[in-house]
Amino acid sequence: KAGVTQTPRYLIKTRGQQVTLSCSPISGHRSVSWYQQTPGQGLQFLFEYFSETQRNKGNFPGRFSGRQFSNSRSEMNVSTLELGDSALYLCASSFRGGYTDTQYFGPGTRLTVL
Amino acid sequence: GDSVTQMEGPVTLSEEAFLTINCTYTATGYPSLFWYVQYPGEGLQLLLKATKADDKGSNKGFEATYRKETTSFHLEKGSVQVSDSAVYFCALSDVGFQKLVFGTGTRLLVSP
Repeated sequence: KAGVTQTPRYLIKTRGQQVTLSCSPISGHRSVSWYQQTPGQGLQFLFEYFSETQRNKGNFPGRFSGRQFSNSRSEMNVSTLELGDSALYLCASSFRGGYTDTQYFGPGTRLTVL
Repeated sequence: GDSVTQMEGPVTLSEEAFLTINCTYTATGYPSLFWYVQYPGEGLQLLLKATKADDKGSNKGFEATYRKETTSFHLEKGSVQVSDSAVYFCALSDVGFQKLVFGTGTRLLVSP
């Protein structure tokens, strides 16, 4: 079974631009979560989607948004990029998103904001 | 809120040494506990998990036991290899919240 895939793997943007990252979950998984990883803040939860609905959201500004499609694929968008948005963005999928479920992570998208 | 505390790294060991990485947590409910490993340039891989008190998770020689009385989930391995060099993250997932809360990570360096 194929794992979680994320595209693109690397992105370079400039301040003020917007960016869209894509995530394809493991086949059959309906929950997709997004995390931001930075050296200073570590791993922080962005949001979680299940059956096209956002169920949970972390403490990030409204510039960070996401969506999930009917095939469970998910995208996240960051508008008006800031230097501090440079990070590794990780997507994870699980079958239902329950607290006992294992979340399987993709390789991440490395975003650099100049 | 929920939180996870891990020992500071890096942890530097010689091959075949015994490994312990400490992890304690604070949670309002009875969370599930996880250890993930991250190799350079990669995402996170699940190493092991435990979903209730006294459960022992194990995988690839690594073990951790869910201790409710001490709110701990320490990672152990009897004999580390150079290939175990990576960053290890302890995490919890609490009832009613579809998210993982991570510790800061512990870098392990194993020398031949």
